Amino acid sequence: KQEVTQIPAALSVPEGENLVLNCSFTDSAIYNLQWFRQDPGKGLTSLLLIQSSQREQTSGRLNASLDKSSGRSTLYIAASQPGDSATYLCAVLNYGQNFVFGPGTRLSVLP
Amino acid sequence: DAGVTQSPTHLIKTRGQHVTLRCSPISGHKSVSWYQQVLGQGPQFIFQYYEKEERGRGNFPDRFSARQFPNYSSELNVNALLLGDSALYLCASSFGLAYPGELFFGEGSRLTVL
Repeated sequence: KQEVTQIPAALSVPEGENLVLNCSFTDSAIYNLQWFRQDPGKGLTSLLLIQSSQREQTSGRLNASLDKSSGRSTLYIAASQPGDSATYLCAVLNYGQNFVFGPGTRLSVLP
Repeated sequence: DAGVTQSPTHLIKTRGQHVTLRCSPISGHKSVSWYQQVLGQGPQFIFQYYEKEERGRGNFPDRFSARQFPNYSSELNVNALLLGDSALYLCASSFGLAYPGELFFGEGSRLTVL
């Protein structure tokens, strides 16, 4: 059974810092991995999707990497801004199964 | 283009009642999945439907049921509501069953059971 964990659970940084959020999964036979952002009380916004054959994906100030063999993914946020404050979730899809989500990392970027 | 739309956005029910939540996927998407998210946790998978057939079911009791219509919209039904059913119910659509697999979520339906 796939299990997904995210470290840290919460993070508070001053504006302008570069930061890394971590996602770990127990079953490395994944089809893809997706990072999401969730604002309080809202739905999930897709940030990046990494297929199993890819090592990383980039979108603007965001970069996500995937290391299947070690069961890890990282989300790198460059030059953080107060508007980046949200909960960040990762989810993994195994062959023939459904997405399994981590508990999320709650990020606060202080002005 | 419209994203995933869900209704209602908020609702309050009492224990024992029944609720129906609705979801319209992104145009061209044939797969709809339902997730339950309780406060402070990640979403938990409830159902996936593709081409009007159930293709996956999570670890939820039989009080939970769903269906998908010919236009690919979907309903989630929950009978005999319990206090523990209070949560944000999220609908996600994707193009197919697996490839490319990217999920797109609606804003959710916030259910409060009193």
